Amino acid sequence: EIVLTQSPDFQSVTPKEKVTITCRASQSIGNGLHWYQQKPDQSPKVLIKFASQSFSGVPSRFSGSGSGTDFTLTINSLEAEDAATYYCHQSSTFPQTFGQGTKVEIK
Amino acid sequence: EVHLVESGGGLVKPGGSLKLSCAASGFTFSSYSMNWVRQAPGKGLEWVSSISRTSTYIYYADSMKGRFTISRDNAKNSLYLQMNSLRPEDTAVYYCARAGDGWYGDFWGQGTLVTVSS
Repeated sequence: EIVLTQSPDFQSVTPKEKVTITCRASQSIGNGLHWYQQKPDQSPKVLIKFASQSFSGVPSRFSGSGSGTDFTLTINSLEAEDAATYYCHQSSTFPQTFGQGTKVEIK
Repeated sequence: EVHLVESGGGLVKPGGSLKLSCAASGFTFSSYSMNWVRQAPGKGLEWVSSISRTSTYIYYADSMKGRFTISRDNAKNSLYLQMNSLRPEDTAVYYCARAGDGWYGDFWGQGTLVTVSS
């Protein structure tokens, strides 16, 4: 099973700041890595697919990069509505796995 | 508009069974693979099972193999998860998610809560 490890677990950020969340895979997964945002009491929504492709309708301040084992989600100029938990997910190999999540709080 | 509505959750005793359903609308259901993902209270996301468009390929997480069965009825635009031998650790919100290319979840339902407790 491929283990995904996100860092940090928690981040408290001021609006307009830049946020960087990393996801490291225990073995190479190519670009089969996706990022989701989950707000309290809501279902997850995909932000980035295949490491760096923005999903339709997602604000341009969200971007992804990486390949192989190291991936990054970047939120440029954080807005208050971005308070949420962010998850990485690999679908390169079954069983599919998720990172443990990174909670982003707005200061 | 893609719409996924889960149902069938509830309270069940350990060792019991439950069948979840996911009604799909707003897209051609038979053209998409589907996933079940769960989330225990206050915890992260956990992949449960996936099924291909024509049910040719089916996958399960190890902890669910032999206890859970995923199925679909393309004529009824519905996805199912039969859960047997339920354990307290199966307590979670269960989401169905449409699989985009490469199995990622491009659209998710609102989830249905399963509570396993005596």
